[in-house]
Amino acid sequence: QKEVEQNSGPLSVPEGAIASLNCTYSDRVSQSFFWYRQYSGKSPELIMSIYSNGDKEDGRFTAQLNKASQYVSLLIRDSQPSDSATYLCAVTSMNTGFQKLVFGTGTRLLVSP
Amino acid sequence: NAGVTQTPKFQVLKTGQSMTLQCAQDMNHNSMYWYRQDPGMGLRLIYYSASEGTTDKGEVPNGYNVSRLNKREFSLRLESAAPSQTSVYFCASSDRGQYFGPGTRLLVL
Repeated sequence: QKEVEQNSGPLSVPEGAIASLNCTYSDRVSQSFFWYRQYSGKSPELIMSIYSNGDKEDGRFTAQLNKASQYVSLLIRDSQPSDSATYLCAVTSMNTGFQKLVFGTGTRLLVSP
Repeated sequence: NAGVTQTPKFQVLKTGQSMTLQCAQDMNHNSMYWYRQDPGMGLRLIYYSASEGTTDKGEVPNGYNVSRLNKREFSLRLESAAPSQTSVYFCASSDRGQYFGPGTRLLVL
């Protein structure tokens, strides 16, 4: 079983819709959870972090964490073609400083005009 | 702030050649990392440095060496390049999250 699992996609949504990206993890002691966006040919960019159960909102992005179910998700409201990218979920047992992140292989999102 | 910078951006090597990938960060982070990214494999940790003066192996360290030159700089060396090391290499540094450099695309023929 992979430590961090994501559906590879592609997930296709029309412009203006809500895109829902999901991630499950196997290590119950995980404390910190991150979402990265990676455009083709570019480096991963940190877009959201979440550390406690519940929702965290930042602009059009909402991260949701359920530690009991070992599940973290990213919602993108009012999706735009510029959101088309691969989204990587990353998990670590450390809260700050040194972090040995475990990455999923990513979900490719396609937003059509 | 430049964030995390990497050089070179692209490199072509012949099998057996050596090279060093350079990485520097100006965010005063203690921890730095080297990853490789291959299609279908995701990001895999090669080596990391939790703090200045320390380095440790990650998931795929074979064929690589690292040097944490000071708090800002963390280099990755390929002593004898192999075609299996063709990849995109990313350096990162962290406080509450990891921040990545622009990457180095390496082709080993």
